[in-house]
Amino acid sequence: AQTVTQSQPEMSVQEAETVTLSCTYDTSENNYYLFWYKQPPSRQMILVIRQEAYKQQNATENRFSVNFQKAAKSFSLKISDSQLGDTAMYFCAFMKHGSGNTGKLIFGQGTTLQVKP
Amino acid sequence: DTAVSQTPKYLVTQMGNDKSIKCEQNLGHDTMYWYKQDSKKFLKIMFSYNNKELIINETVPNRFSPKSPDKAHLNLHINSLELGDSAVYFCASSQDPRLAKNIQYFGAGTRLSVL
Repeated sequence: AQTVTQSQPEMSVQEAETVTLSCTYDTSENNYYLFWYKQPPSRQMILVIRQEAYKQQNATENRFSVNFQKAAKSFSLKISDSQLGDTAMYFCAFMKHGSGNTGKLIFGQGTTLQVKP
Repeated sequence: DTAVSQTPKYLVTQMGNDKSIKCEQNLGHDTMYWYKQDSKKFLKIMFSYNNKELIINETVPNRFSPKSPDKAHLNLHINSLELGDSAVYFCASSQDPRLAKNIQYFGAGTRLSVL
């Protein structure tokens, strides 16, 4: 069974600074996807970034980038130039890849990030 | 236009009642999901349907029954509501995960409070 662990329940960062959220996972699968979702106070779940395990290159989306270490089963999210609107709960998630994929997302416990002015 | 819409946004009800939450997506996706977010914010999948066929049925009490009249709709019916059912329920949709990009789009959630 796959598990996803986010060991930082809460973090804070000053506006315009950089912060890194940690995520580790456990799986025996070789092909899979990893995701970071953001849940602001509005409750809406928003996809931040997605990584395919077979790709060595780390995914980036504007100010958001990941550090994907497949051997270490680590998938951290770096937010650069933090903005007040980044204040939210961030969830790391895992999904199997391939013909047997049911689309089941397995989430970590979440990290609450507060960006301070 | 909202891509994945759930109604109602808030639902307050008494123990023992039966209630339904509706979900509709206008993205043309084949697959829809229900997730439950508990009071500790932990998210866990409950069900998924692909083209009206049940694909995922996690360990969920029989009081929960999903219904998919067509691939754009996935409703969740809950019988004999219990206090422990209080949570936020999220609907999501995606293209067929076996074939295409595995990006799920979520609705805004329904906060269910059982008194």
